[in-house]
Formats: sequence, C-alpha cells, structure tokens
Amino acid sequence: DVKVTQSSRYLVKRTGEKVFLECVQDMDHENMFWYRQDPGLGLRLIYFSYDVKMKEKGDIPEGYSVSREKKERFSLILESASTNQTSMYLCATQTGASGNTIYFGEGSWLTVV
Amino acid sequence: GQQLNQSPQSMFIQEGEDVSMNCTSSSIFNTWLWYKQDPGEGPVLLIALYKAGELTSNGRLTAQFGITRKDSFLNISASIPSDVGIYFCAGQLHPGNTPLVFGKGTRLSVIA
Repeated sequence: DVKVTQSSRYLVKRTGEKVFLECVQDMDHENMFWYRQDPGLGLRLIYFSYDVKMKEKGDIPEGYSVSREKKERFSLILESASTNQTSMYLCATQTGASGNTIYFGEGSWLTVV
Repeated sequence: GQQLNQSPQSMFIQEGEDVSMNCTSSSIFNTWLWYKQDPGEGPVLLIALYKAGELTSNGRLTAQFGITRKDSFLNISASIPSDVGIYFCAGQLHPGNTPLVFGKGTRLSVIA
C-alpha cells in the first residue's frame, strides 16, 4: 500500500509565523503535490514537483513556497502565515508514468490566529 | 485553473437507496478518477478509469468513463451509513506529467 505521511495533523500558528508542513512518501514516486481544501472551493493546487529540486507553481502559489531536497520528502512553507491561509492542506504523490492515480495523505489542519 | 463541473453538490438519501453523481467538462480527458473523503481525512481512491466507455465496479460502486471523454458518473447501490462523505471526481487532461483537475465534490448524507 502507498503511504503518504503528513507530519502534523493539527497546527495552530500566529499571524506572521513561518510554518513548515512536511510530507513523506514511501513508494519512490516521482511526482508530489500540495493542495489546500476549503469549503465550497474544492481542492486547489498550490505547488507540485516532478523531481528532486524541481518545483512548479500550481493555481494558487502566492504566499507559499516548497522544497524538495530528497525524492521522498516534499515540504510546504508559509513564509509569513496569514489568517486567510487557515485551511486543510493535503499532500499527494503519483508515479511519473502516464495514467497513474494520485494518493493523498491524511491532511494537515492549519489554523492561523 | 480549470475545474470539473460536479453535481449534485450535496445529497440526502435514505439508507438502502441508490445514488448517482456525475462530472462534466468542456475538455476531453485522458483519465477519470473517483475519490471519497471521510470527515477529517484525506481523499481515498475508489475507482480509476482509463478508456472511453470503460465501466468499472468496486463492490457497490460503479463508475463509467463517458464515450465523449468529457464526462464520468459514479453510482452507489444500496447505500449504507458508512457511505457518508464527500465524493470527488478528478481528471487528467493529458497523459504523462500533468496535474489532475478536480471537481468540487458531492457531499453525501445517508439517513438511517
């Protein structure tokens, strides 16, 4: 079974803090993604990566950055957290082969106060 | 970014009833996927479809990849309380390394 582990399930941070959300996968997948999920807006892609040290902006990258130093780990960084970044964050992985599905972690609930 | 049109947004049904939901798009998709998300958890893959016209079942769930490649539906037969959750469709526009496009989800509530 594919395992995608998000390091923190629930976080509460103050406005202006730097926040790190970590994601680790154990299936040697090339592709990794970060989404945020908000009521009524569905899943929105923040950043993705198809290889180590490679990153691509998704639909809503503003206010976020990412790091992929190792194949199995993809980190989402909020340089200066704001209240509008309160959300559920989902990490996902996918093999690089065509037509393959993506697998999600359990999610990280971030509240910025 | 592009999103799929998923309907209905929400459903309230009696236990034992059948359920149907669908996704449509103006674009042709290469792959259709259906996920279920339980409250407080990440989405879990239910069914993956790779060919136009493909009909695939997973227990009480059945999904089809539309012939036009612009739509897909998911049916759940004889619903039970644990079917409660949010169901998402997702599609891949092109083969290879392109991110999936997601519908906004159908929230299913089952009344015992």
